[in-house]
Amino acid sequence: AQSVTQPDIHITVSEGASLELRCNYSYGATPYLFWYVQSPGQGLQLLLKYFSGDTLVQGIKGFEAEFKRSQSSFNLRKPSVHWSDAAEYFCAVGGITGNQFYFGTGTSLTVIP
Amino acid sequence: NAGVTQTPKFQVLKTGQSMTLQCAQDMNHNSMYWYRQDPGMGLRLIYYSASEGTTDKGEVPNGYNVSRLNKREFSLRLESAAPSQTSVYFCASTFDSYGYTFGSGTRLTVV
Repeated sequence: AQSVTQPDIHITVSEGASLELRCNYSYGATPYLFWYVQSPGQGLQLLLKYFSGDTLVQGIKGFEAEFKRSQSSFNLRKPSVHWSDAAEYFCAVGGITGNQFYFGTGTSLTVIP
Repeated sequence: NAGVTQTPKFQVLKTGQSMTLQCAQDMNHNSMYWYRQDPGMGLRLIYYSASEGTTDKGEVPNGYNVSRLNKREFSLRLESAAPSQTSVYFCASTFDSYGYTFGSGTRLTVV
């Protein structure tokens, strides 16, 4: 079955520390890959996306993600976390069937001052 | 620069009542979607419309109906609300597979 897995339900980091959020997918082909962020009470905002080419993609707010085909992963990273990064982060895949997208269950990030 | 607009933002219903959630996009997107978000379950697709005039079921369509009124508007109807439909509902749209634009959500409580 097709799936998107975010193994970490909740992560806590100190402000200024580095961050890595994990995402794995199981599809036959390389899908389009996305990371979204959701602040409390808000909709989802696109952080970055990968379609093809360079496997390291840069996004907004200082985030980056690396696609690793051999591991079917698309992990999100940030070198230095800010308190305003506290939010829920969702990994998603698309381009599998029509214009449908499939989401992971999300990772909640808490930032400690 | 409205993007995707959802109304209402909040709603409380009694069990058995009906209501329609409205969604409109001004980006000339072909495809529109309704998701529900529940704690620990991520976003689950309810219905989608790949193009004007077409609708299809997603992962959790039971208890819902949709109408793609025109290219801009895609509504979600609950005919007889149940407590299990308490959730946050998101509308999204896209021109192709290059990523969704989301609305800000409708928080629905069924008592």
